[in-house]
Amino acid sequence: AQTVTQSQPEMSVQEAETVTLSCTYDTSESDYYLFWYKQPPSRQMILVIRQEAYKQQNATENRFSVNFQKAAKSFSLKISDSQLGDAAMYFCAYTDSWGKLQFGAGTQVVVTP
Amino acid sequence: EAQVTQNPRYLITVTGKKLTVTCSQNMNHEYMSWYRQDPGLGLRQIYYSMNVEVTDKGDVPEGYKVSRKEKRNFPLILESPSPNQTSLYFCASSFISSGITGELFFGEGSRLTVL
Repeated sequence: AQTVTQSQPEMSVQEAETVTLSCTYDTSESDYYLFWYKQPPSRQMILVIRQEAYKQQNATENRFSVNFQKAAKSFSLKISDSQLGDAAMYFCAYTDSWGKLQFGAGTQVVVTP
Repeated sequence: EAQVTQNPRYLITVTGKKLTVTCSQNMNHEYMSWYRQDPGLGLRQIYYSMNVEVTDKGDVPEGYKVSRKEKRNFPLILESPSPNQTSLYFCASSFISSGITGELFFGEGSRLTVL
């Protein structure tokens, strides 16, 4: 069974600074996909970034980037130039080709002025 | 507007009273799925469907039923709700292209309380 672990229940960052959220996963599959989702207080789930396991290049979306280490089964998210609007719960998620999607427990990001 | 619509958004019910949470998407997505979100546990998959008449259990299917008679609809049925099913429920959908590669679109969530 696959598992996704987020070891940081909460991370605090000052505006304009950088914060890194960690995520590790366990799988025996070679073909899979990893995601980071953001959940603001509105509860809406918003896709932040996606990484295909077969791609060696780390995904980047504006101020959000990942450090994907396939051998270590690690998938961290870096938020650069943090903004107040980045405050939210962030979930790491894993899926294989068969449709079972698993989420980590989440990391609450607090942004201070 | 592309969206996933869940109803009801909020519901308080009593133990044993059957209820259905509806989910409908207008994007012609093949894949649909239900999750429950509980504090400290993240989102856990209840059931998912790769296409019409094809459904599979996720990690926490006990106490739930689903059906996929039409592509756009994927209702979640609680035949005999119990207090441990008090949770925030999300429906989501996406296209399938050699696996779940597309963006997963989520509904706005349904807050269910079972007394």
